[in-house]
Amino acid sequence: DTAVSQTPKYLVTQMGNDKSIKCEQNLGHDTMYWYKQDSKKFLKIMFSYNNKELIINETVPNRFSPKSPDKAHLNLHINSLELGDSAVYFCASSQGSGGTAGDTQYFGPGTRLTVL
Amino acid sequence: SQQGEEDPQALSIQEGENATMNCSYKTSINNLQWYRQNSGRGLVHLILIRSNEREKHSGRLRVTLDTSKKSSSLLITASRAADTASYFCATDGGRTDSWGKLQFGAGTQVVVTP
Repeated sequence: DTAVSQTPKYLVTQMGNDKSIKCEQNLGHDTMYWYKQDSKKFLKIMFSYNNKELIINETVPNRFSPKSPDKAHLNLHINSLELGDSAVYFCASSQGSGGTAGDTQYFGPGTRLTVL
Repeated sequence: SQQGEEDPQALSIQEGENATMNCSYKTSINNLQWYRQNSGRGLVHLILIRSNEREKHSGRLRVTLDTSKKSSSLLITASRAADTASYFCATDGGRTDSWGKLQFGAGTQVVVTP
């Protein structure tokens, strides 16, 4: 069974479109994350949810809107896609929320978004 | 801004050799983690080392942490072709309310040839 799954794996779309990426984890974790990995493999956190509540909201354009219907799901909706949104988006989850002890994060396989 | 920076950016070795990569970071930390990413895949957690620890082992992996120099190293001993991947360090920024906010470096790309 896949611990953290994302759909779709590949997404090719035109500029200006609206698209969603879905993420599900079956690990029973409380916290979920969205990361963006650019072409230079630099990975940057975008959002974090803990028990459906938004915890981290980095300086991400408000065209990006995460939604967590329950603690096992965290979807990412992107409005008015731009060329610069092309990247690989990773969902991840962890048991807790880090703190000083630290938490292992479990990553999904990624969604490669290409905006034409 | 980028917290961790790995060095070297790329490393090519032969099977059986050891691979060493370094990570430097800027702020204080509670812990530092290393992850591996195979091509086209998600990241996989390798090891976590806390700020009060100096060395940690897991199988063929050895991680050191020097908080005075704000640096960590990952050593892979007796490398195998399957170790070919990118390796990332990630830090938590030292906050107690970090809520799992890991800051990643750009990674070291390791190629192990048979």
